[in-house]
Amino acid sequence: DQQVKQNSPSLSVQEGRISILNCDYTNSMFDYFLWYKKYPAEGPTFLISISSIKDKNEDGRFTVFLNKSAKHLSLHIVPSQPGDSAVYFCAAKSGGRDDKIIFGKGTRLHILP
Amino acid sequence: AAGVIQSPRHLIKEKRETATLKCYPIPRHDTVYWYQQGPGQDPQFLISFYEKMQSDKGSIPDRFSAQQFSDYHSELNMSSLELGDSALYFCASSLDQGPNFYGYTFGSGTRLTVV
Repeated sequence: DQQVKQNSPSLSVQEGRISILNCDYTNSMFDYFLWYKKYPAEGPTFLISISSIKDKNEDGRFTVFLNKSAKHLSLHIVPSQPGDSAVYFCAAKSGGRDDKIIFGKGTRLHILP
Repeated sequence: AAGVIQSPRHLIKEKRETATLKCYPIPRHDTVYWYQQGPGQDPQFLISFYEKMQSDKGSIPDRFSAQQFSDYHSELNMSSLELGDSALYFCASSLDQGPNFYGYTFGSGTRLTVV
């Protein structure tokens, strides 16, 4: 059973516009959420995270919003740039010391010129 | 800055052969994780080690084993390889999963092809 769900396998956005990537989760024990970015032939790279005690975290062009009641989070990228074209993985973990991160299937973002 | 190093980058093996994947974590990182990503799939957690002891186990087949050595590098041993083992294998390391947790740092992966 997929605990972290990214229902859009791909997304195309015009350069300069806002990219919104969505993620839903089912495990109410998750209390830490992360977004990773992955280019071909490279490992996933940590992008931004949010603790469950917050509903928003911003880092430059990237903002993550968390709606705990809806078990939903989203990553906003504004303005979108060509270098943002990559696969974005939503991930979550619970608070245990060694709890592993659970990944979604990823959304491939294409930034159009 | 030093990153997570995985070797080899690519590996081709025949069915029923054995493969060993190596991972060298970021210096001073105390936890190593192994993930398997099949074609079109999300990364699936296999196993993790904290301070050289297995700390968690995921969907790792019995044909696979792993360990972390005294220098903190880790090896994933895969025996009796099957075609379905063809995947990208990522290693990641982390330090301090307390309030300053910033996620894992991943290596570039080893692409295993079983023919």
